Amino acid sequence: NAGVMQNPRHLVRRRGQEARLRCSPMKGHSHVYWYRQLPEEGLKFMVYLQKENIIDESGMPKERFSAEFPKEGPSILRIQQVVRGDSAAYFCASSTTAAYEQYFGPGTRLTVT
Amino acid sequence: KQEVTQIPAALSVPEGENLVLNCSFTDSAIYNLQWFRQDPGKGLTSLLLIQSSQREQTSGRLNASLDKSSGRSTLYIAASQPGDSATYLCAVPGGGADGLTFGKGTHLIIQP
Repeated sequence: NAGVMQNPRHLVRRRGQEARLRCSPMKGHSHVYWYRQLPEEGLKFMVYLQKENIIDESGMPKERFSAEFPKEGPSILRIQQVVRGDSAAYFCASSTTAAYEQYFGPGTRLTVT
Repeated sequence: KQEVTQIPAALSVPEGENLVLNCSFTDSAIYNLQWFRQDPGKGLTSLLLIQSSQREQTSGRLNASLDKSSGRSTLYIAASQPGDSATYLCAVPGGGADGLTFGKGTHLIIQP
């Protein structure tokens, strides 16, 4: 049973470009969470999704950021018009139910130049 | 708003010692608490999950306790090894509907 998969592992974008981060949850998991880890800071919750639904996006910046988890395919975190402050590690986690153990992927390290 | 504090921020001990990492949280209305390990430049590895109805959970040389009423958890590592060197993170629900709120971690170094 493969773990949570994220790609790409490293992503370099110039200011103003778009970044698309992908997350495939563990088999049998229908709950996906995105977190961001800024340099020298802790992990911060961004958004929680189930298939085709955003359940809670209270931690996601209101502008330029969006997330989806379609019926088929991976969850996508999209950042439009990236700025240097978006440089961070973005982690995806999945779980079987809302109140159970979360398993994390290896992360995508985004660098904005 | 849930806040999680981990003490100490950094710890360096000789190999073989037993050690305790501390975690405290402000809102005791949690249904579980999770301990993770993060190696430099890597993702998070789940170490232990304690449900709110439990007081302890053990895995190998690791033992985690939970005192929900006082808002505290400890992670006990027995007979530490250099391979235990990593950052240890404590997390509880409260970062969103079911998102986790993390502490800033304890950076642990085990000296050979």
